[in-house]
Amino acid sequence: AQSVAQPEDQVNVAEGNPLTVKCTYSVSGNPYLFWYVQYPNRGLQFLLKYITGDNLVKGSYGFEAEFNKSQTSFHLKKPSALVSDSALYFCAVRDMNYGGSQGNLIFGKGTKLSVKP
Amino acid sequence: AAGVIQSPRHLIKEKRETATLKCYPIPRHDTVYWYQQGPGQDPQFLISFYEKMQSDKGSIPDRFSAQQFSDYHSELNMSSLELGDSALYFCASSLERTGYEQYFGPGTRLTVT
Repeated sequence: AQSVAQPEDQVNVAEGNPLTVKCTYSVSGNPYLFWYVQYPNRGLQFLLKYITGDNLVKGSYGFEAEFNKSQTSFHLKKPSALVSDSALYFCAVRDMNYGGSQGNLIFGKGTKLSVKP
Repeated sequence: AAGVIQSPRHLIKEKRETATLKCYPIPRHDTVYWYQQGPGQDPQFLISFYEKMQSDKGSIPDRFSAQQFSDYHSELNMSSLELGDSALYFCASSLERTGYEQYFGPGTRLTVT
């Protein structure tokens, strides 16, 4: 079965410092990986994805993620955190077990990012 | 840019009642997904439609059903509501040939009392 794991329930960072939110995956075959952010009482916003190609993926709001096949990781990073980045971050993998091209997303448990001034 | 629209945004129902949630995907998107997010939980996949045909089912209770209409909007019908159905229900849409990312609506918060 395909899955993603986010080992940290919460990450605390000071504003201006770099941030990393960790994600590891377990899939059969090539992974399709995504990061989403959720603000309180809001929907999930797409940040970035890895399908194929360069291991360093750049996304919205200055976020990037590095795909590491040997470590089966897809960590989310940002060089300089903002207070407004404080939110819940979900890593997700596309479920390809369906066998077709319309795979739903399987989410990690989420990591709460808190950026303090 | 147009986003996914969901209605209503909030819904309060009593146990054993029925509820209907609506979703209007981004124009020209060909796939719609429904997810349920319980308090403090990650979103769980319920059901999806591709070009108006049901394409996959996840952990959707038999009390729930869904369909996608000719104008591509989708409805999630929930009957015999239980307290445990209280959750955020998200609809997402995607255009498969452009990269698989799903765009989520703001969600419907269902409270069952």
